[in-house]
Amino acid sequence: LAKTTQPISMDSYEGQEVNITCSHNNIATNDYITWYQQFPSQGPRFIIQGYKTKVTNEVASLFIPADRKSSTLSLPRVSLSDTAVYYCLVGGRADSSYKLIFGSGTRLLVRP
Amino acid sequence: GAVVSQHPSWVICKSGTSVKIECRSLDFQATTMFWYRQFPKQSLMLMATSNEGSKATYEQGVEKDKFLINHASLTLSTLTVTSAHPEDSSFYICSARNEDSLGYTFGSGTRLTVV
Repeated sequence: LAKTTQPISMDSYEGQEVNITCSHNNIATNDYITWYQQFPSQGPRFIIQGYKTKVTNEVASLFIPADRKSSTLSLPRVSLSDTAVYYCLVGGRADSSYKLIFGSGTRLLVRP
Repeated sequence: GAVVSQHPSWVICKSGTSVKIECRSLDFQATTMFWYRQFPKQSLMLMATSNEGSKATYEQGVEKDKFLINHASLTLSTLTVTSAHPEDSSFYICSARNEDSLGYTFGSGTRLTVV
């Protein structure tokens, strides 16, 4: 399983764009990159998933360089409600034996 | 979207008693479910993988006789914390793999407090 490395914490202000980068140097060919968000006392919530280049949905964008050894989650114009822990995971989406192993995550604090 | 219901959301029990936590996939079938434990300010730690119709696979260091897992149907997995002690107090979270979408959905978690 590819190990991931993220910053422990980040601070931002309302309205700013936040970019959280995750390193996964040992990513395998069939591994996807998935980001989850977790609020206190809640289960993680899926944000976005990608394999290469760029993926965008209604809440975030995911940028993946050609070598796929890192990825960046981009949150446009954050609000106070985006304060949460963000986890980056890599693994084989079609692999039925794949286990979601969480790293330390990035604790994002959005200030007024 | 895929929904996983986890029950109860919180429970307080006395030392020495057992507590059962349920995890249900409401609108999809889940051959595989996962159980996690999370202590305050820490990440989720995978405890075991629950497979429908077979024995669960436990991660290293997790006592299988203390944390009993049953996955008797394609929509329900249960975790029973047996002979609970205060150190078992934690936030327990389940996750279910959707075989159609290949995605993973998490329950809302169960806060267990052992007194």
